[in-house]
Amino acid sequence: GDSVTQMEGPVTLSEEAFLTINCTYTATGYPSLFWYVQYPGEGLQLLLKATKADDKGSNKGFEATYRKETTSFHLEKGSVQVSDSAVYFCALSVHTGNQFYFGTGTSLTVIP
Amino acid sequence: NAGVTQTPKFQVLKTGQSMTLQCAQDMNHNSMYWYRQDPGMGLRLIYYSASEGTTDKGEVPNGYNVSRLNKREFSLRLESAAPSQTSVYFCASRITSGGSYSYNEQFFGPGTRLTVL
Repeated sequence: GDSVTQMEGPVTLSEEAFLTINCTYTATGYPSLFWYVQYPGEGLQLLLKATKADDKGSNKGFEATYRKETTSFHLEKGSVQVSDSAVYFCALSVHTGNQFYFGTGTSLTVIP
Repeated sequence: NAGVTQTPKFQVLKTGQSMTLQCAQDMNHNSMYWYRQDPGMGLRLIYYSASEGTTDKGEVPNGYNVSRLNKREFSLRLESAAPSQTSVYFCASRITSGGSYSYNEQFFGPGTRLTVL
């Protein structure tokens, strides 16, 4: 079935460090891929998305590239800030059906 | 636009009590969803509704009922609350009509934090 597997946390980084959060997927057909961010005490909000192979989604310094050959959509940021501390969710949506499939989330803490 | 709104924000129940969580969206989305979020479990889908008058079970529907009152509103009811239903509940909405929609994102509400004693 359709599913997403993402890197387990928690992840702790120093400010200005490089961030990678791994995400791989299993899907029938060609899914769209998403990263959501959840700040403490809030709901999820879309960070970026990519809808076809080799697309790169980007927002607020974060980037992720849709890699069909490795079925991956890893999230990266070159220099994290304390304000990036949050939980990050990878998700996919397929052409058929109504559902989203979420990973279990990766908690990131950035220390000054 | 308020987006997706949820009430209440916090709730404490005793085992066996009932309550309804309310959700509304003002974005004219046809699909609406209820999730629960538990530590280490990510988001789990309880129920969803693709249009007014239709509902479908998700991964963890037991102990819950839903009502799609109209296009804007989608409520979640706990008939007899249990401690295992202590969780954070999120409502979401999305456009899933009018051709290819797999690239349409879900929009989330702020959540309801429920504790069952």
